[in-house]
Amino acid sequence: GAGVSQSPSNKVTEKGKDVELRCDPISGHTALYWYRQSLGQGLEFLIYFQGNSAPDKSGLPSDRFSAERTGGSVSTLTIQRTQQEDSAVYLCASSLGSSDTQYFGPGTRLTVL
Amino acid sequence: AQRVTQPEKLLSVFKGAPVELKCNYSYSGSPELFWYVQYSRQRLQLLLRHISRESIKGFTADLNKGETSFHLKKPFAQEEDSAMYYCALSGRYGGATNKLIFGTGTLLAVQP
Repeated sequence: GAGVSQSPSNKVTEKGKDVELRCDPISGHTALYWYRQSLGQGLEFLIYFQGNSAPDKSGLPSDRFSAERTGGSVSTLTIQRTQQEDSAVYLCASSLGSSDTQYFGPGTRLTVL
Repeated sequence: AQRVTQPEKLLSVFKGAPVELKCNYSYSGSPELFWYVQYSRQRLQLLLRHISRESIKGFTADLNKGETSFHLKKPFAQEEDSAMYYCALSGRYGGATNKLIFGTGTLLAVQP
């Protein structure tokens, strides 16, 4: 079946603009995660959704970052007033349940000029 | 603090040589340990997890709680093993969050 998909694959934006990144998890997966992969920082956890529970936002680096998951499926990560340090690859992962293997999407490469 | 350390950024070996990718962790509790691999132009994928105690593509990893290590080993490297390898741990913090904490990764280059 289809794996986790993310769009766009690449996004170039200007400093100060808002961006939205989309994640389509594997059908039936209740858990969804966002991570960021940047030079010098490696892979960092951002936010986690599990079913109808309140999301774990403990990894979001600032209040410019937010995420939603509508209908328990698609998720959108929004970055407001982008800064150059936001440049990174943003990865989405989903798992069947909270303790199951996480399957990763191909990522969205964000470049803030 | 929870932390995963991969001391080698690059490990270069010849085909047929043994491979050991080092991983040490810091965690108060009983974490679950993983190795993820990213081949060139492919997405990050799970290689193995310690609770499975299985061998994938000839790789094995044993959790050593005394040394807080989870080194990845393969007796005979193959060129197709060339990739970026990430060690990761998962722990639960008063709830069901299963977020992964990753090391910085080791690039394995297998020379012909």
